[in-house]
Amino acid sequence: AQSVTQLGSHVSVSEGALVLLRCNYSSSVPPYLFWYVQYPNQGLQLLLKYTSAATLVKGINGFEAEFKKSETSFHLTKPSAHMRDAAEYFCAVRYGGATNKLIFGTGTLLAVQP
Amino acid sequence: DVKVTQSSRYLVKRTGEKVFLECVQDMDHENMFWYRQDPGLGLRLIYFSYDVKMKEKGDIPEGYSVSREKKERFSLILESASTNQTSMYLCASSSLTSRENNEQFFGPGTRLTVL
Repeated sequence: AQSVTQLGSHVSVSEGALVLLRCNYSSSVPPYLFWYVQYPNQGLQLLLKYTSAATLVKGINGFEAEFKKSETSFHLTKPSAHMRDAAEYFCAVRYGGATNKLIFGTGTLLAVQP
Repeated sequence: DVKVTQSSRYLVKRTGEKVFLECVQDMDHENMFWYRQDPGLGLRLIYFSYDVKMKEKGDIPEGYSVSREKKERFSLILESASTNQTSMYLCASSSLTSRENNEQFFGPGTRLTVL
């Protein structure tokens, strides 16, 4: 069965510092992987997605993620954090089949300190 | 832009009431989903639908039912609300076309409180 693990339910960084949010997946087949962001009192918004075209994926707001098959990881990074990046981030993996179901991690709440 | 709308942002109901949460999408998507979101648990799938009148149970369907009479609308029903159903409910939709690579588009959520 596919699953997603996000290490660290809370991450705090200083403004301008590197952001690293970790995601590991388990999948018996090459997955589709997603990172979503949720700002306070809003729904989820897609940051980026891996669909096997390229291992380094660039997303919105300066975020990127690298797919590493050997490590079964898809960590999210941003070189320099901004205050507006404070939000909750979810990693997700897609089931196989035609229904496009996703399995979500438990989320990482990112705090950015001034 | 894809738009997924949910009928209420905040809802307060009493134990035992029948509750309807409505979701509408405007992109002619085949798939629609209902999740609940709780702190520390992430998003958990309640039900999904891959076509009109078609539905399948997700991971936590107990206490819920759904209805999809039209392609653009997917309703979540709590037959008899209980306090443990107090949560944030998120609706999502997705297309089967490969161009969108199966991305799910989310509504703003409904925060339901059951007293």
